[in-house]
This record gives sequence, C-alpha cells and structure tokens, in this order.
Amino acid sequence: EAQVTQNPRYLITVTGKKLTVTCSQNMNHEYMSWYRQDPGLGLRQIYYSMNVEVTDKGDVPEGYKVSRKEKRNFPLILESPSPNQTSLYFCASSQDGSGANVLTFGAGSRLTVL
Amino acid sequence: SQQGEEDPQALSIQEGENATMNCSYKTSINNLQWYRQNSGRGLVHLILIRSNEREKHSGRLRVTLDTSKKSSSLLITASRAADTASYFCATSSGAGSYQLTFGKGTKLSVIP
Repeated sequence: EAQVTQNPRYLITVTGKKLTVTCSQNMNHEYMSWYRQDPGLGLRQIYYSMNVEVTDKGDVPEGYKVSRKEKRNFPLILESPSPNQTSLYFCASSQDGSGANVLTFGAGSRLTVL
Repeated sequence: SQQGEEDPQALSIQEGENATMNCSYKTSINNLQWYRQNSGRGLVHLILIRSNEREKHSGRLRVTLDTSKKSSSLLITASRAADTASYFCATSSGAGSYQLTFGKGTKLSVIP
C-alpha cells in the first residue's frame, strides 16, 4: 500500500531532550515536507526537500533540523525541544513537489514537550 | 505564510443538505487543491483545479475557481455524517511552485 509512515505517533518528552520523528515513504517520491498543525494557525511548513541531499526551510524552521540521506526517509530532529514545539506534526510527500502533484500525508505525530 | 483563507471557519448542516465552503487567496496561483482531514488525522487530497480551469467535479464534490476574484468554492452535495471533517484549501503559486500553502480550514459538522 502506498503510504507515508511516521513514528512515533504519540510522544511526551521533557524540555531539552533531543528527539527524532521518523518519516518514510514507499512511493519513490522526490519531494518530502514537514508541517506542524496548531489550533487557529492551520498547517505551517517547517522544512522541505526536493530530492536527496536537498533541503530547504519552510515558514517555521526555528528549532528543527532535517536530513535527506535517502530518497524514502526524511527525519525531523528536535535538538533541544521546548514547550512551544508541542504540536501535531505531519510528514508529506509528492512526486516532484511542483504543486501539480498532490501531497500524500502521514497519519501525524502528536508531540508534547513538558 | 498563509495564502488561502477558508470561510466559514465552522459549518453545521443536516444530513442530505449541501455544504459550501469558500477559499480566498491573495496572489496569483498555478493551481489550488482541496484536502480533507478527519479529526487529528492526516490530510487526504480531494481535488486539484488548475488556474486555467473554472470548474471541476469528483463524485459529490464540485469545485469552482474564479481567478479574477481570487477565490474558490468547494460544494459537497447530499452530505453524509461521514463527511464531518475539516476541509483545507492549498495554493501553489510563483516561481517556487513546489511550495503548497494551506489555509486554516473549515470545520464541517454533518448532523444525522
């Protein structure tokens, strides 16, 4: 089944404890992206990647890192999480990110930082 | 940055009625997409309309695009309780058209 898989789905952590949210897609998509969703703010893009080894900042990149060493994986790294990073995170992918292709989303990762 | 803005923010209707949601945007677009999100879950693509198209249909969904007014509407006909979800428009514009910018969504409740 074509899908985007995120892990963990739920995580409670404490301020400053590094964590990684993994994202993997099995559709050979070139484009991958991370979004965060907060009440009243909608979806905001954190980082995106056009292809392997190519990443770029979205609208809210502060406090996050990403890497794209393989086409299928696009992990989101929070080096020193803070409470304002408590949010619902979505990974998404598409064929080439041109906008004419649709995004396939993961099921989401709900992160709470205490 | 937020490009699309959905209206209304929330909509409650009876099963069988039609639901109309609107999306307005600020700058010229290449295309506009509509997505659906069931509570707390991942978004699912519904339909894409290109800037040179005026109307598109998919099952019970009808999307219109008016580029002169910079607006789009999503009509769901004969709504069902299972249509209860949030609906988002997303726009692609400019030279970096790989950027898809989402609105804040319309929360639709369909009462059985």
